[in-house]
Amino acid sequence: EDQVTQSPEALRLQEGESSSLNCSYTVSGLRGLFWYRQDPGKGPEFLFTLYSAGEEKEKERLKATLTKKESFLHITAPKPEDSATYLCAVPGNTGFQKLVFGTGTRLLVSP
Amino acid sequence: ETGVTQSPTHLIKTRGQQVTLRCSSQSGHNTVSWYQQALGQGPQFIFQYYREEENGRGNFPPRFSGLQFPNYSSELNVNALELDDSALYLCASSLLVDGELFFGEGSRLTVL
Repeated sequence: EDQVTQSPEALRLQEGESSSLNCSYTVSGLRGLFWYRQDPGKGPEFLFTLYSAGEEKEKERLKATLTKKESFLHITAPKPEDSATYLCAVPGNTGFQKLVFGTGTRLLVSP
Repeated sequence: ETGVTQSPTHLIKTRGQQVTLRCSSQSGHNTVSWYQQALGQGPQFIFQYYREEENGRGNFPPRFSGLQFPNYSSELNVNALELDDSALYLCASSLLVDGELFFGEGSRLTVL
């Protein structure tokens, strides 16, 4: 069964303290990996799609990387406004777009 | 460009009742998917609609049903509500059947 595991469950950083979030997956024939940001009570906001091992994408203080077994979301010099839950997801092994999500990492950045 | 919009934003129902949630897809997107997100969990896939037909379904019972209209807007209907149906219901649209999903703000359903 397709599975996505994210770690840590929660992460507390000081402003400017860089760190990484992990997303490991088990799916046959990876057809992409998605990162989303979700603020409390809101819908997920699309961040990145990665398609192949070695691929990297950046947006402001965020950089996503992908290997054959996992993805990392690196946060460089975070600010309090980066506080949110970060979700990763992979398409299930079906003929349609069924995303299998992890439970997310709750990030809190303190000033 | 208008994003995905959902209504209502919040609602409270009692066990056994029925509910209809509505979604307008992002301009130009012909595919709509629905997800259920319980508190502290990741979203769970309910079903996807493409050109007014159900294009795939997750592990949800038949009392969860949907529609897609010619303008690509969509409805999610849930009959015989149970307490465990309390969740944030998310609608997402995409340009392609297997494309990137863009989510609305969700409808928060509470079942008492």
